Amino acid sequence: DAGVTQSPTHLIKTRGQQVTLRCSPKSGHDTVSWYQQALGQGPQFIFQYYEEEERQRGNFPDRFSGHQYPNYSSELNVNALLLGDSALYLCASSQGQNSYNSPLHFGNGTRLTVT
Amino acid sequence: GESVGLHLPTLSVQEGDNSIINCAYSNSASDYFIWYKQESGKGPQFIIDIRSNMDKRQGQRVTVLLNKTVKHLSLQIAATQPGDSAVYFCAENIGTGGFKTIFGAGTRLFVKA
Repeated sequence: DAGVTQSPTHLIKTRGQQVTLRCSPKSGHDTVSWYQQALGQGPQFIFQYYEEEERQRGNFPDRFSGHQYPNYSSELNVNALLLGDSALYLCASSQGQNSYNSPLHFGNGTRLTVT
Repeated sequence: GESVGLHLPTLSVQEGDNSIINCAYSNSASDYFIWYKQESGKGPQFIIDIRSNMDKRQGQRVTVLLNKTVKHLSLQIAATQPGDSAVYFCAENIGTGGFKTIFGAGTRLFVKA
């Protein structure tokens, strides 16, 4: 039973470029959340997708956007990259419309470096 | 506000001793709390959770205590082992339906052999 998988594992981009990160949720899960984790800090919530719609968003600018596909996989897109976007991007999945009372299952993240 | 903080950034314990990691939260409306463990190069891993209608919950070698009066959460690890070395985050879920999980900054646990 595959857990949450993310690709790529590492990525180096130049300031101003755009990036797309991908996530496949744990089998049976239909809700995907994305987090940004700066070095030495806790994960910060970016947004959550359920039924292909964004249903909750954190304090991130519009440069951060996402998508969820019918098979529940998800993408995180970041436009006009800034040096400060360098971080570990984590995808987490959960199951069901009422999964707010359930823990998240995390992937191992994509390490993004912006130079 | 929406914040979950920790009292200590690092904790060093001797192998075999018990560890206690503390956490304060600020959202009185939160009713679900989780502890995660994050090892180097990996994503956070669920350890144990507790709902606001409980004040204690036990797992295998771990216990979570919730004090709603002072908005305090703690994680106790019994007979700490080298494999317990990691960063530990307390977290709370905010919202229903669409929700977000708010994490604290984390406590790094070092286990000395």
